[in-house]
Amino acid sequence: EIQLLESGGDLVQPGGSLRLSCAASGFTFSNYAMSWVRQAPGKGLEWVSGISGSGGSTYYADSVRGRFTVSRDNYKSTVSLLVNNLRAEDTALYYCVKDHCGSMTCPSRFDYWGQGTLVTVSS
Amino acid sequence: DIQMTQSPSSLSASVGDRVTVTCRASQSISSYLNWYQQKPGKAPELLIYAVSSLQSGVPSRFSGSGSGTDFTLTISSLQAEDFATYYCQQSHSNPRTFGPGTKVEIK
Repeated sequence: EIQLLESGGDLVQPGGSLRLSCAASGFTFSNYAMSWVRQAPGKGLEWVSGISGSGGSTYYADSVRGRFTVSRDNYKSTVSLLVNNLRAEDTALYYCVKDHCGSMTCPSRFDYWGQGTLVTVSS
Repeated sequence: DIQMTQSPSSLSASVGDRVTVTCRASQSISSYLNWYQQKPGKAPELLIYAVSSLQSGVPSRFSGSGSGTDFTLTISSLQAEDFATYYCQQSHSNPRTFGPGTKVEIK
């Protein structure tokens, strides 16, 4: 059974930082790209960042580029998102998502989702 | 970036109704279009990929069609468990973008 378990969400002040983590199991982790998708309270889905299976390619939404950094450890089957210089508009539930493909340049789909970790940015 | 729009933003329907949701891309995305279903308090789930392929376990009352810029999700006979929000998403290029969602509510 494929499982994605996120952690690291918290209440943080504007300008603060967090490290979100996702522990994956039930599949050959290094074979698949992973993404982070967020959802602000009562709002829709926003793709935030993605990383190829090898970790050699990373991608970001314009809204977070330069502030967020995605990485993965294929030995530990984990993917992380370092979120810096947080703003109120970053408040959201952050989902760890498994891609169907190994790269972020193939026509893929998000076939498994975690339950999310909540980031709240407020003073 | 490719912008995705959906219509309607919400709809009310009864069990047994045929429901259609439309998704439009700001440029051609060929057949690289996926649909997700999200129920309240739950994570989204993949429903349909590559326009018309049903994810494993998805009932056959769900179907998808379209190509290029215009796509459709159809539920042939709405069931109680189908009341949810539906999102389209393009996988043609990065950044992967989602539509704003269509909430299907009980009439």
